[in-house]
Amino acid sequence: QVQLQESGPGLVKPSQTLSLTCTVSGGSISSGSYYWSWIRQPAGKGLEWIGRIFASGSTNYNPSLKSRVTMSVDTSKNQFSLKLSSVTAADTAIYYCARYSNSAPIDYWGQGTLVTVSS
Amino acid sequence: EIVMTQSPATLSVSPGDRATLSCRASHSVSSKSAWYQQKPGQAPRLLIYDASTRATGIPARFSGSGSGTEFTLTISSLQSEDFAVYYCHQYNDWPRTFGQGTKVEIK
Repeated sequence: QVQLQESGPGLVKPSQTLSLTCTVSGGSISSGSYYWSWIRQPAGKGLEWIGRIFASGSTNYNPSLKSRVTMSVDTSKNQFSLKLSSVTAADTAIYYCARYSNSAPIDYWGQGTLVTVSS
Repeated sequence: EIVMTQSPATLSVSPGDRATLSCRASHSVSSKSAWYQQKPGQAPRLLIYDASTRATGIPARFSGSGSGTEFTLTISSLQSEDFAVYYCHQYNDWPRTFGQGTKVEIK
């Protein structure tokens, strides 16, 4: 059973960089043709796709966030990471990491981690 | 970006009644649509994928239909545990997108 767990600071100051890591257990991040993604959800609102990364390191980002997003993968630690720069209060949300296969919906989600942007 | 529009925003239903949720895509997504259920404090749970296929362990009272731009999730007889927010999702095009959600509440 694959499990994903987000970790990182719960509070980030405006204009700084939000950094989160997702640790994958129960399976190798390098095995199979899976995409590893970040999705966020502001309180009481809907879900927004941030980006995806393949084990090879190739990435795709949501055009709306592309200028501020960087994703990376560390196969030796079975982890992938998100950096979102120049954050504002609008970036306050629950951040989920997730896994899916090409042409398939997400099958595994992390539990989510709340990140608040505030001074 | 493909916009997924769900209706209604809130659906008030009595336990045991039927619930019908709708989702419209701004462009065709073929059958690459899914439905998720989300309860407070939890990650979304996959109910339906490929428009009409139930995910593993999902009860038969949940069914999905549609293709192209129009999709429907039907819950045939609402149970207490079904009161939640439901999201439609397209995975035919990048970026993948979700609808804004339909809250199913107790009438």
